[in-house]
Amino acid sequence: IVMTQSPATLSVSPGERATLSCRASQSVSSNLAWYQQKPGQAPRLLIYGASTRATGIPARFAGSGSGTEFTLTISSLQSEDLAVYYCQQYNTWPAYTFGQGAKLEIK
Amino acid sequence: EVQLVQSGAEVKKPGESLKISCKGSGYNFGGYWIGWVRQMPGKGLEWMGSIYPDDSDTRYSPSFQGQVSISADRSIATAYLQWSSLKASDTAMYYCGRRGGSDGFIDYWGQGNLVTVSS
Repeated sequence: IVMTQSPATLSVSPGERATLSCRASQSVSSNLAWYQQKPGQAPRLLIYGASTRATGIPARFAGSGSGTEFTLTISSLQSEDLAVYYCQQYNTWPAYTFGQGAKLEIK
Repeated sequence: EVQLVQSGAEVKKPGESLKISCKGSGYNFGGYWIGWVRQMPGKGLEWMGSIYPDDSDTRYSPSFQGQVSISADRSIATAYLQWSSLKASDTAMYYCGRRGGSDGFIDYWGQGNLVTVSS
């Protein structure tokens, strides 16, 4: 399954909303996770099951979608949200796949 | 506190072998799948494969089948990723992570192992 993220780069001002998309080449049901990777760090789980926030993740991060279309929304962007965001499908074991990543820049 | 601690950076020559490790603590190591993820320089994440330490059931992503070997020693709560003959194209950061229960997402990540293969 090919995961395609858009846009590749998004520039958003602090306090504004950021919306990142992820499309699967075939249905992955709700078996979709989102990760945040800050420069020089390991990825961090944000969302699993397409819409469930992981432990300790602020409420400004929200995931939605099912099947082939998914969205990660950051409702009020903060400077520390500068990162690359990846979606991952875990519907096809053992061939899990990630999207190519989307870079979030702060204006 | 769940922690995964990976062994340090490695510099190797093409053709050499290598085994890197990932030591878990703070949870029942044997009862959760451990996955390995590759990140080539400046690139995205790639799922390599997983192991269930309790019975060493191992599954590889098709792209990595035959290219690497994943193993684990439940008695010392450690998983391994191994190469028998490194190539320059194996240069990458390698992350281990704990799969979240029966699902395939990674809820805890190691800090990463930078592997550099150069003559």
